Amino acid sequence: AQRVTQPEKLLSVFKGAPVELKCNYSYSGSPELFWYVQYSRQRLQLLLRHISRESIKGFTADLNKGETSFHLKKPFAQEEDSAMYYCALSGLKAGTALIFGKGTTLSVSS
Amino acid sequence: GAGVSQSPRYKVAKRGQDVALRCDPISGHVSLFWYQQALGQGPEFLTYFQNEAQLDKSGLPSDRFFAERPEGSVSTLKIQRTQQEDSAVYLCASSLGQGGGYTFGSGTRLTVV
Repeated sequence: AQRVTQPEKLLSVFKGAPVELKCNYSYSGSPELFWYVQYSRQRLQLLLRHISRESIKGFTADLNKGETSFHLKKPFAQEEDSAMYYCALSGLKAGTALIFGKGTTLSVSS
Repeated sequence: GAGVSQSPRYKVAKRGQDVALRCDPISGHVSLFWYQQALGQGPEFLTYFQNEAQLDKSGLPSDRFFAERPEGSVSTLKIQRTQQEDSAVYLCASSLGQGGGYTFGSGTRLTVV
């Protein structure tokens, strides 16, 4: 079955603390993995994708095929990072639908 | 346009009423997806268009749901005889055709009363 699991519904941290949002997946084949973010009252937007191996807003995510994980990390959380984060996967073929996890709300307080 | 535009932003429908939700994708984007996002859930796939061709409609929950994109640009998602369980945010996303990095619209929040 194709599935994305985000085990934490809510993650609360203090400003400056490290953050790790967990994502595990199940997929037959080689998927492409993504993190999407939705800030309050804004639309869903792409944060990063594993094939680009970029660091966006200080966030990184490494695809671990052995553990089928794609955890999102940031060494020092900022208050503006507070948002809903969705892990998603798709097949490599163009036009393949995204499969989303249920999302994790990140709350960063001072 | 500069982004994916969806209208209306909010729609309240009485149970049994038909509704039509519009998506205006980024100009030139070949791929267009519709997703349904229930409260507290991640978006779930409904249907996919490549230009005007509906290549995948496996996610449509019932035959009350119908989508079209007749000229390969604007798309309409129609829900007939709405039910309370149809209440959700309906998201549209488009891309040039490459996998995954879609641009999402703001969504239409449908409430069926």
